[in-house]
Amino acid sequence: NAGVTQTPKFRVLKTGQSMTLLCAQDMNHEYMYWYRQDPGMGLRLIHYSVGEGTTAKGEVPDGYNVSRLKKQNFLLGLESAAPSQTSVYFCASRLGTSIFDEQFFGPGTRLTVL
Amino acid sequence: AQSVTQLGSHVSVSEGALVLLRCNYSSSVPPYLFWYVQYPNQGLQLLLKYTTGATLVKGINGFEAEFKKSETSFHLTKPSAHMSDAAEYFCAVSVRGNEKLTFGTGTRLTIIP
Repeated sequence: NAGVTQTPKFRVLKTGQSMTLLCAQDMNHEYMYWYRQDPGMGLRLIHYSVGEGTTAKGEVPDGYNVSRLKKQNFLLGLESAAPSQTSVYFCASRLGTSIFDEQFFGPGTRLTVL
Repeated sequence: AQSVTQLGSHVSVSEGALVLLRCNYSSSVPPYLFWYVQYPNQGLQLLLKYTTGATLVKGINGFEAEFKKSETSFHLTKPSAHMSDAAEYFCAVSVRGNEKLTFGTGTRLTIIP
């Protein structure tokens, strides 16, 4: 049971390049989330999904797109990277809507945009 | 909409001293409150959570937090700090039926030998 995994762990992009971050979970969780973490700003929600085939915008969705074609995977895409997207990106998953459910986090992807 | 405020972005305590990390929340409906810990270069890990019932919540690694509705607070404490407690701590809030967590800006805890 690997939990939540993220690929890649590190990436350096040039402005204007595109990339996709992959999040995978093997816990059969319904809900999945993408956050970015920046110094002094905590975690901010980018997009999330409440089930296979669904996505919704979070707090800071601009410049990002997501897809949840399979229940276990949640992809985060940057179509044209900008230096402001330099950040650490975390994926999380959650079983469902029970008040007892917690979010499980992946180890993060450190992205630098030059 | 709900929010949390963590007072103090950096806290330093001596090994063996009391740890107190402050969190105040804002919510128009009964909140669910969480503390997460992040060790260097790792993801977040749940320390403890308050949903309903007993207002004093015990978590992992000797941490506990008390939900005080009158003070809109959910401060995190540990009686005796250990070097391994050095990490960043995040308070978060949610409400029933909301699939999203709202995080505070974090408090970095440093333990002085």
